Amino acid sequence: QQQVKQSPQSLIVQKGGISIINCAYENTAFDYFPWYQQFPGKGPALLIAIRPDVSEKKEGRFTISFNKSAKQFSLHIMDSQPGDSATYFCAASMKQGAQKLVFGQGTRLTINP
Amino acid sequence: EAGVAQSPRYKIIEKRQSVAFWCNPISGHATLYWYQQILGQGPKLLIQFQNNGVVDDSQLPKDRFSAERLKGVDSTLKIQPAKLEDSAVYLCASSQALNTEAFFGQGTRLTVV
Repeated sequence: QQQVKQSPQSLIVQKGGISIINCAYENTAFDYFPWYQQFPGKGPALLIAIRPDVSEKKEGRFTISFNKSAKQFSLHIMDSQPGDSATYFCAASMKQGAQKLVFGQGTRLTINP
Repeated sequence: EAGVAQSPRYKIIEKRQSVAFWCNPISGHATLYWYQQILGQGPKLLIQFQNNGVVDDSQLPKDRFSAERLKGVDSTLKIQPAKLEDSAVYLCASSQALNTEAFFGQGTRLTVV
């Protein structure tokens, strides 16, 4: 119930293409869904986040699509660039209780030039 | 604004030895988290503090792990005795309050041999 399942584990996209990473959750009490980007040797950094009152949020080349009924959300990276090569984690947390972040397993994204 | 500071960056110890990690959160951040990130996996929350009180430590192996946050600022995480499976990156994060953006430090990479 506390899990967030992320796919794919790894993804290779050509420069200029669209990268899509998917996450699914079970716990309907989750109400905050961030995506984190992590480069080797660094800690995760918040990329973009969404709450379930909207179905889509866009910031530059990054878009979160949220499907509340399916309990799924996804990250789209438009015009993918080699500098986007990193590991991406989806996460979720609840408004109630400890409100701790539960992370997905991660997706290693490689953008080929 | 200074980020979350962690030390040391790297540590190699033998099994059954003890080790301690230190974290200094962003100034004014009330919430502090310790995460364990095993290679190839997403971060897993070990313990969460709100000021100097523990909010959640349900996934902390309390027989060998301990953490404290004296005076509600800096925090230390200790492992005693260490096991091979404790090899991981230990990430500290902080946020202004519960359910707000968490900022991560670079982590401490622990290798237990």
